[in-house]
Amino acid sequence: QVQLVESGGGVVQPGRSLRLSCAASGFTLSNYIIHWVRQAPGEGLEWVAVSSIDGRTDHYAESVKGRFTVSRDNSKNTVYLQMDSLRIDDTAFYHCARQLQGLDHWGRGTLVTVSS
Amino acid sequence: QSVLTQPPSVSAAPGQKVTISCSGSSSNIGNNDVSWYQQLPGTAPKLLIYDDNKRPSGIPDRFSGSKSGTSATLAITGLQTGDEADYYCIAWDTSLTAGVFGGGTKLTVL
Repeated sequence: QVQLVESGGGVVQPGRSLRLSCAASGFTLSNYIIHWVRQAPGEGLEWVAVSSIDGRTDHYAESVKGRFTVSRDNSKNTVYLQMDSLRIDDTAFYHCARQLQGLDHWGRGTLVTVSS
Repeated sequence: QSVLTQPPSVSAAPGQKVTISCSGSSSNIGNNDVSWYQQLPGTAPKLLIYDDNKRPSGIPDRFSGSKSGTSATLAITGLQTGDEADYYCIAWDTSLTAGVFGGGTKLTVL
């Protein structure tokens, strides 16, 4: 069955980096667009970035542009979110989601806490 | 401040109907598809409606979506206590080249 599993979250100091992984199973990642969405504790959903199938048309929210980078390794069926220059307001659960007709499958998320 | 505007909360009695609005602009809702998501406490969001008004398989027809101009609406009929959740709309914004969510609406079934 289709499954997305995020990993790589943790506690990190402001200004440091972290790389999140989104491992896909039950489908071929190379055929799908993958989005990253985050949710700060007690807050609403915030769209973060999209990983295009060809890697040429990735897009980012203004709040993370220039600091976050998406990439994918289709041989590992995995999408990555490289997060640099982390700020306290980047603290959130980070979900990856598959785009088919809407965002039809979501991972449970991984928690990133940015704190000194 | 979200690009798409949703009411913070709505409420209705079991069995009744409720609507949740999502207001945007020509750069998002006006020219791109809207999808809706339900998020129960402590869980990942779940797709309810895509392409403005289509239901994925397994979503009951109590849930319906519509769109007019730069606003979209999610309607839920025959409310059940299990429908208590947060609901979000999202659309692509062509000007921002980014996805934009509404702020979310908390549904309470009284």
